[in-house]
Amino acid sequence: QSVLTQPPSVSSAPGQKVTISCSGSNSNIGKNYVSWYQHLPGTAPKFVIDDKNKRPSGIPDRFSASKSGTSATLGITGLQIGDEADYYCATWDSSLNSWVFGGGTKLTVL
Amino acid sequence: QITLKESGPTQVRPTETLTLTCSFSGFSLSTSGEGVGWIRQPPGKALEWLALIYWDDDDRYSPSLETRLTITKDTSKNRVVLTMTNMDPVDTATYYCAHYNVYWASYIWWGQGTLVTVSS
Repeated sequence: QSVLTQPPSVSSAPGQKVTISCSGSNSNIGKNYVSWYQHLPGTAPKFVIDDKNKRPSGIPDRFSASKSGTSATLGITGLQIGDEADYYCATWDSSLNSWVFGGGTKLTVL
Repeated sequence: QITLKESGPTQVRPTETLTLTCSFSGFSLSTSGEGVGWIRQPPGKALEWLALIYWDDDDRYSPSLETRLTITKDTSKNRVVLTMTNMDPVDTATYYCAHYNVYWASYIWWGQGTLVTVSS
């Protein structure tokens, strides 16, 4: 059971928007920055954005992030087939003294 | 350009010790704010954080695995080594090393991962 809770799956049509939630607690999301990762099986996970909306070079501004209290959200607009992947949220947990990852959300673009 | 690559055995026996090496380029672990972490993914499961070592030799471990893990760095060789003792079949996973940056507070660059199978 992950410390951070994500929906197992989300889906939307090409060109549409989708949001992925990540729920935690005061000791993790409520206190520390949240980062989001895109992972295609068999490949290296890729950092896409943090909750300050900082994106590494190469990540389009179709990706956005926000945080409110103990929950964080990843948003993707203008969905493309290439966005299909597993998405993970992660943050530092100040009580566990450990990084924690969410259980992952499988995004299907159909 | 930052790159990382994991290396080590593809299979270990139960109770053995696993030693994985992360060889990296494009940054230095002698630079303030840099770090290297290890994360794993068992087949069909989620990512699980294992350990992180900082430029100043500070380190952090997953509480559930802390007694079995050791992370060390060789700054001159741009390598980080993770050892995990008393391996069990449930430790079968793809192991990733990743570049961590304090400013980003994120794992910015990741290696391709190495699959380790624990079996007798």
